[in-house]
Amino acid sequence: QKEVEQDPGPLSVPEGAIVSLNCTYSNSAFQYFMWYRQYSRKGPELLMYTYSSGNKEDGRFTAQVDKSSKYISLFIRDSQPSDSATYLCAMSVNNFNKFYFGSGTKLNVKP
Amino acid sequence: NAGVTQTPKFQVLKTGQSMTLQCAQDMNHEYMSWYRQDPGMGLRLIHYSVGAGITDQGEVPNGYNVSRSTTEDFPLRLLSAAPSQTSVYFCASSSGQSKNIQYFGAGTRLSVL
Repeated sequence: QKEVEQDPGPLSVPEGAIVSLNCTYSNSAFQYFMWYRQYSRKGPELLMYTYSSGNKEDGRFTAQVDKSSKYISLFIRDSQPSDSATYLCAMSVNNFNKFYFGSGTKLNVKP
Repeated sequence: NAGVTQTPKFQVLKTGQSMTLQCAQDMNHEYMSWYRQDPGMGLRLIHYSVGAGITDQGEVPNGYNVSRSTTEDFPLRLLSAAPSQTSVYFCASSSGQSKNIQYFGAGTRLSVL
């Protein structure tokens, strides 16, 4: 079983829709949770970073962590065609070097 | 501000050849890592370094060597390339103050024939 599971998609939505991206994990020791956005043929870029449980909001993006269910989510409000990318979740226990990544969900926002 | 720079962007090797993927960062970050990205597998850690002169293995280290003689540079060496090493390789760095916030390079696409 993988440490982190993520639906690969693709997920196709119309412009303006609310997008929900999710990851599940098996290691209850994970404390740091990250979402990266990766455009085609580019490196991942950090989008959101949360520690432990709870919500974090940044503009149109909201990250949620539910440690009791071992489930994290990224919500994108008022989605734009420029949001079309692959979204990767990542998590770690307590040190930088052991990051575990999901396989990524490809999102397509149609104009 | 260059950030994390990887060279080359593309490379084709024959089985058995060796090569070095270069990674340089200009942010004075202590931590640097190498990942490979394969379809359906996400990013997997190959090797990492917590500072000059200190390296350690990640999840998939076999067939790769690293060294860290300076803070800025963290090259990845393929000793004897195999088709299973066909992948996209990413280098990342982070600071001691924000260890969990990694900055990635644009990647090196490697094909081993």
